[in-house]
Amino acid sequence: EAQVTQNPRYLITVTGKKLTVTCSQNMNHEYMSWYRQDPGLGLRQIYYSMNVEVTDKGDVPEGYKVSRKEKRNFPLILESPSPNQTSLYFCASSSTGSPQHFGDGTRLSIL
Amino acid sequence: SQKIEQNSEALNIQEGKTATLTCNYTNYSPAYLQWYRQDPGRGPVFLLLIRENEKEKRKERLKVTFDTTLKQSLFHITASQPADSATYLCALDKDSNSGYALNFGKGTSLLVTP
Repeated sequence: EAQVTQNPRYLITVTGKKLTVTCSQNMNHEYMSWYRQDPGLGLRQIYYSMNVEVTDKGDVPEGYKVSRKEKRNFPLILESPSPNQTSLYFCASSSTGSPQHFGDGTRLSIL
Repeated sequence: SQKIEQNSEALNIQEGKTATLTCNYTNYSPAYLQWYRQDPGRGPVFLLLIRENEKEKRKERLKVTFDTTLKQSLFHITASQPADSATYLCALDKDSNSGYALNFGKGTSLLVTP
């Protein structure tokens, strides 16, 4: 089954404690992206990757890092999380000109 | 800057009627436009894609129109059902050369009542 898998689905943590949200896709898609979704602000792109070892900033990259060492994986790293990064996060993947496939989301709470 | 506007007010309609959602955009010349459905706490799910040279596209009870002169897309759900209740997002390609990146509207919530 074609899917984008994110882990964890829910996480409550404290300010400053490094965390990683994993994302994996099994569709051999070149493009992967991370979004955050906040009430009233919609989906905003954090980082994206056009292919292995190629990443670039989206609209709200501050406080986040990503890596793309393999085609299927695109982890999102929060080196020093802060409460304003409390949000619902989505990973997505696609091929060129094709619809994006989204994961089920990660709800992150940073206290 | 590029801007996508969807009606922020929820749309409430009666079962069996046609729901029409609007997506307006400015400062864009998109090569294509997409519509997604999102249920609470879940990731968006792709519904339809329409290209700039297409006026209309249909899929079962769904119909999308794309007017590049008006810079507007309309999304119709005919014979609506309570199961159609969700938030609907429109998305446009950020850069017609990239073929990947999308900008999303904030979505319109649809509630279909029996």
